[in-house]
Amino acid sequence: AQSVTQLGSHVSVSEGALVLLRCNYSSSVPPYLFWYVQYPNQGLQLLLKYTTGATLVKGINGFEAEFKKSETSFHLTKPSAHMSDAAEYFCAVSGAYGGSQGNLIFGKGTKLSVKP
Amino acid sequence: DAGITQSPRHKVTETGTPVTLRCHQTENHRYMYWYRQDPGHGLRLIHYSYGVKDTDKGEVSDGYSVSRSKTEDFLLTLESATSSQTSVYFCAIGDRTTGETQYFGPGTRLLVL
Repeated sequence: AQSVTQLGSHVSVSEGALVLLRCNYSSSVPPYLFWYVQYPNQGLQLLLKYTTGATLVKGINGFEAEFKKSETSFHLTKPSAHMSDAAEYFCAVSGAYGGSQGNLIFGKGTKLSVKP
Repeated sequence: DAGITQSPRHKVTETGTPVTLRCHQTENHRYMYWYRQDPGHGLRLIHYSYGVKDTDKGEVSDGYSVSRSKTEDFLLTLESATSSQTSVYFCAIGDRTTGETQYFGPGTRLLVL
């Protein structure tokens, strides 16, 4: 079984500051890991994903995340926040072996606010 | 955006009435999913389909049924709507050859009075 914990339901940063959104997962099989972003009144959009290979994954809009197996973490970072980054961010995990374990399990989300 | 549409986009209904939400895709993806999104709960899987007429339950399937008679359409039915089913419903599609990536529709906002 898989589960996801996102630390902090709300994070506020100043424009230009580092963005760090935390995600820890639990999985009984090798995981696939994802970050999605949701802007107000819209569906979810994939930011980046880790399946296999390089553990540092780069995504859209300058975001990146690092898979750390020893820490069971997949934290999302961006060096310099923009006002347009204000949104809700969801971390998700699925099992690499497919079947019902291939379904996505989502964290509860972190709402990012960016102050001018 | 991936070719996913949801209808209706907004609906207000009364307790006890049946409601059907439709998800339509033009991407020919094998997998289709229905989620509900509620504050403080993230997204929770209701049902999913892995092919025409092949469906399975998710985490919160009680009170919901689904049908998939064509690759492109996945219907979610609330047989007798309750106020606890007031939520935003998202459809997603996926192709597990792309590492489980799912693509989401715009959502349907349902209010049950």
